Amino acid sequence: GQQLNQSPQSMFIQEGEDVSMNCTSSSIFNTWLWYKQDPGEGPVLLIALYKAGELTSNGRLTAQFGITRKDSFLNISASIPSDVGIYFCAGGGAQRTNFGNEKLTFGTGTRLTIIP
Amino acid sequence: DTGVSQNPRHKITKRGQNVTFRCDPISEHNRLYWYRQTLGQGPEFLTYFQNEAQLEKSRLLSDRFSAERPKGSFSTLEIQRTEQGDSAMYLCASSSDTQYFGPGTRLTVL
Repeated sequence: GQQLNQSPQSMFIQEGEDVSMNCTSSSIFNTWLWYKQDPGEGPVLLIALYKAGELTSNGRLTAQFGITRKDSFLNISASIPSDVGIYFCAGGGAQRTNFGNEKLTFGTGTRLTIIP
Repeated sequence: DTGVSQNPRHKITKRGQNVTFRCDPISEHNRLYWYRQTLGQGPEFLTYFQNEAQLEKSRLLSDRFSAERPKGSFSTLEIQRTEQGDSAMYLCASSSDTQYFGPGTRLTVL
């Protein structure tokens, strides 16, 4: 199935550094979401974006919904050890139906590792 | 805990056996989704319910797969005659506007 292009695939950083990752698509989406997944667990919602151009923060996390509706980025400031994990972007609402179907199309993930 | 729950968390089965997974959504959510995630990939959409109605099925959902949500609350996903390629994490999500995921059921087919 289709997966969104997410970059970088992996990041190795030191604690305290800022992190930036992005997600691009050839299709337009009406919502963008960012999830974090720990090994053996389901994705946990970090930030949801509903409007093109929207910039939203959640603590040390900031995400933006691209103006073209084909991309989004996520920034993490002052990384801490618990930020380790896999980050997924997801686009929703690519095909509007009468039922408001919002099946999500996920990116390929960015694995964040913090070097001691 | 009022989040999405899934049972079992792990299932090991032999090829050719049938398996069934259960998802209990957040109680006020009327939409329920199933996704499959293989190693190193993001989740992929399988099927979607609004209340008890199954509104869309992905091409990934072969004839061996069936999902139900009989009373518009919990849902089950059954895989018949399992194959090794069915080994994956099966994720359930529920939403009223934004999707919240359960912990998943990891299926290993030997």
